[in-house]
Amino acid sequence: AQKITQTQPGMFVQEKEAVTLDCTYDTSDPSYGLFWYKQPSSGEMIFLIYQGSYDQQNATEGRYSLNFQKARKSANLVISASQLGDSAMYFCAMSAPQGGSEKLVFGKGTKLTVNP
Amino acid sequence: DTAVSQTPKYLVTQMGNDKSIKCEQNLGHDTMYWYKQDSKKFLKIMFSYNNKELIINETVPNRFSPKSPDKAHLNLHINSLELGDSAVYFCASSRRVLNTEAFFGQGTRLTVV
Repeated sequence: AQKITQTQPGMFVQEKEAVTLDCTYDTSDPSYGLFWYKQPSSGEMIFLIYQGSYDQQNATEGRYSLNFQKARKSANLVISASQLGDSAMYFCAMSAPQGGSEKLVFGKGTKLTVNP
Repeated sequence: DTAVSQTPKYLVTQMGNDKSIKCEQNLGHDTMYWYKQDSKKFLKIMFSYNNKELIINETVPNRFSPKSPDKAHLNLHINSLELGDSAVYFCASSRRVLNTEAFFGQGTRLTVV
């Protein structure tokens, strides 16, 4: 079964610095997708970035990049130049096929606090 | 325009009542989902529909009954509400393509008292 592990319940970073949020995954499927979502205190789930298992290059979206190390089964999120508005819960997720469809399996999340 | 919208945003109700949450997406997606986020922020899938057909039913009590009148709508009806049903319920949608991102509604915070 697919599993996502986020070992950092909380992280702190100074404004304008970079921060790495850890995510490891477990799956026996050769094809899968890895995702990061942001959940601010207002509660909505915001899609940030996607990495496919066959993608050769690490995904980047603005200040977000995904450090994909397939052999280590890790998909860490790197946020560069942190801003106060980056304070939120961050969830790593993986796509998991099921019954002709697929679902997202989520980690427990990391609460990021950006200090001024 | 909101891509995935669900109503209501907040729902407070007494034990034993029946309630519904509505969801609509205007992204043209074929697949819609219900996810539940518990008090510890853990997110887990409940149901998924492909073009109005139930595909995933993740061992959810049968007091929960999803209904999809068309591929743009997926509603969730909950009978005989229990205290343990208190959670945030998210509707989401995606294209019917493997390994694709899902777009979430703003969530419905259900509180059962």
